[in-house]
Amino acid sequence: AQTVTQSQPEMSVQEAETVTLSCTYDTSESDYYLFWYKQPPSRQMILVIRQEAYKQQNATENRFSVNFQKAAKSFSLKISDSQLGDAAMYFCAYRSDVQGGSEKLVFGKGTKLTVNP
Amino acid sequence: ETGVTQTPRHLVMGMTNKKSLKCEQHLGHNAMYWYKQSAKKPLELMFVYSLEERVENNSVPSRFSPECPNSSHLFLHLHTLQPEDSALYLCASSQDPGGPTDTQYFGPGTRLTVL
Repeated sequence: AQTVTQSQPEMSVQEAETVTLSCTYDTSESDYYLFWYKQPPSRQMILVIRQEAYKQQNATENRFSVNFQKAAKSFSLKISDSQLGDAAMYFCAYRSDVQGGSEKLVFGKGTKLTVNP
Repeated sequence: ETGVTQTPRHLVMGMTNKKSLKCEQHLGHNAMYWYKQSAKKPLELMFVYSLEERVENNSVPSRFSPECPNSSHLFLHLHTLQPEDSALYLCASSQDPGGPTDTQYFGPGTRLTVL
């Protein structure tokens, strides 16, 4: 079974600075999808960014980018020019591309990001 | 804000009570999901419905009973729960379950406390 590990329970960053959140995963599959979700306090979880394993190019969405290293099974999230509104729990998630099991998202435990003014 | 709503947002119940959680998606999606989010643990998938048929039951105790009457509505019926069932219950939906572009959209959750 696949597992997702987020080794940083908490992180903090100064406003306008850059922070990187770590995520590693364990799988024997070659095709899969990776996601970062953001869950602000008392608010809905929203998708930040996604990456297809077959794509070598790292995904970017405005101030958010990933460093996807397939061989190392690493999928870190970089937030540039951090803003107060970036404060949230961040969850890394894995989804298989195998028939019959590909609806399921496997989540890490999350990293709580604090943004200091 | 996403187009997935959940009611109630907070629920306190005794172990002998029967209650139901409701989820509604306004996105025209074909699949709906129930997740359990407990403190210090990863989100756990409980149930998946695709086109109103249950396609995943992740070894969930029978005191949790899902119902999906149509592709827009999903219920979780609760009875004789235990205190360890206290958690945030999240509903999600997606358009193309298992497809290459599929993305799950989450509701705000129901905070459940079992006394």
